[in-house]
Amino acid sequence: GIQVEQSPPDLILQEGANSTLRCNFSDSVNNLQWFHQNPWGQLINLFYIPSGTKQNGRLSATTVATERYSLLYISSSQTTDSGVYFCAVDNNAGNMLTFGGGTRLMVKP
Amino acid sequence: ETGVTQTPRHLVMGMTNKKSLKCEQHLGHNAMYWYKQSAKKPLELMFVYSLEERVENNSVPSRFSPECPNSSHLFLHLHTLQPEDSALYLCASSQGGGRSYEQYFGPGTRLTVT
Repeated sequence: GIQVEQSPPDLILQEGANSTLRCNFSDSVNNLQWFHQNPWGQLINLFYIPSGTKQNGRLSATTVATERYSLLYISSSQTTDSGVYFCAVDNNAGNMLTFGGGTRLMVKP
Repeated sequence: ETGVTQTPRHLVMGMTNKKSLKCEQHLGHNAMYWYKQSAKKPLELMFVYSLEERVENNSVPSRFSPECPNSSHLFLHLHTLQPEDSALYLCASSQGGGRSYEQYFGPGTRLTVT
């Protein structure tokens, strides 16, 4: 099956800093989603981005499908951005997501 | 109520118990999913239902039994579980039809098997 690798696994930032999270995948994809998992376990949809670039407030994402990677940018980080960020992909048009291992982000005040 | 809801939010059960997890989606979707998140593993897909028919059973042990009575409801029936089945169980929904659509997740049920 498709492999999904996220980096870095852990990241500590000072409030106000910017960061880039990376997701590499081993095959072409039909679906790519970024999620933020809050401390209570809820997965919050950030972006549905199988290709191209999208922005939502302080967050933006870019997927370069031909090179099999996606980037999530967080600007002016806040303590509420803390949590685990997951990338998930589907490559067989059956909408069955394979998740990466996540990036655990801690933003310190 | 909107989005995807799951009940109960927390469940403690013994290995000989039988319990059920419930998921309900209010998004008008026609595909629903169960995922498992263990402490030291990535999120794993367990079951997929599209148009109320199961389309994927990802080598899940038979002690987990899904049921999808209609496009808005999904259950996961549990019996004779093992302690290693303790995990966060997440339900999701999306549009179906054999194409890739955005999935939306419920808040999860945190299960502890004693």
